[in-house]
Amino acid sequence: NAGVTQTPKFRILKIGQSMTLQCTQDMNHNYMYWYRQDPGMGLKLIYYSVGAGITDKGEVPNGYNVSRSTTEDFPLRLELAAPSQTSVYFCASSYSARFPGSRYNSPLHFGNGTRLTVT
Amino acid sequence: KNEVEQSPQNLTAQEGEFITINCSYSVGISALHWLQQHPGGGIVSLFMLSSGKKKHGRLIATINIQEKHSSLHITASHPRDSAVYICAVTGTASKLTFGTGTRLQVTL
Repeated sequence: NAGVTQTPKFRILKIGQSMTLQCTQDMNHNYMYWYRQDPGMGLKLIYYSVGAGITDKGEVPNGYNVSRSTTEDFPLRLELAAPSQTSVYFCASSYSARFPGSRYNSPLHFGNGTRLTVT
Repeated sequence: KNEVEQSPQNLTAQEGEFITINCSYSVGISALHWLQQHPGGGIVSLFMLSSGKKKHGRLIATINIQEKHSSLHITASHPRDSAVYICAVTGTASKLTFGTGTRLQVTL
């Protein structure tokens, strides 16, 4: 299994440009998450999805969009890049049987991150 | 007030010391996660808990659901344990919320 794969690893954007950060998992996980980590700061949840066709906003969704058309893929779209979006972006996934303590629940699996600079 | 609070924010220990990192949360949860992030590195899941206690090698994680509190213990700490340790909770609405992390430095 490849686990959680994020692409690209690095990207530099100019203000106003758009891009899509890709995230794919091959573990049949129903839950997927996008979050950002600013230098020296904690992780902030951007968007999450509990299954194909279902997405929800996290703490800091402004300036981003997501879609979940398949179980495997959860791309994050930046439409009009701004310097405030300079950050490291992590994708994560897990399986939840929606029953706390279920032996089918899995831990979180993380991608290696995408370092994005907007200048 | 953050939904997930960790303490301490920074911790320095000597090799061999017993270390405890605490996490308190204020929301209903379906699971609590302890994560490890090495400098410049990715994030690894150490534990996922919904009750009781789990042990993996020198690491022990406990959770008290009634008190909304969890602890991560490291026994016989080693310099390679130096990392940021993050507590995260999956809320009952499936939302994932992170603590701000505890930066641990273990010296020789």
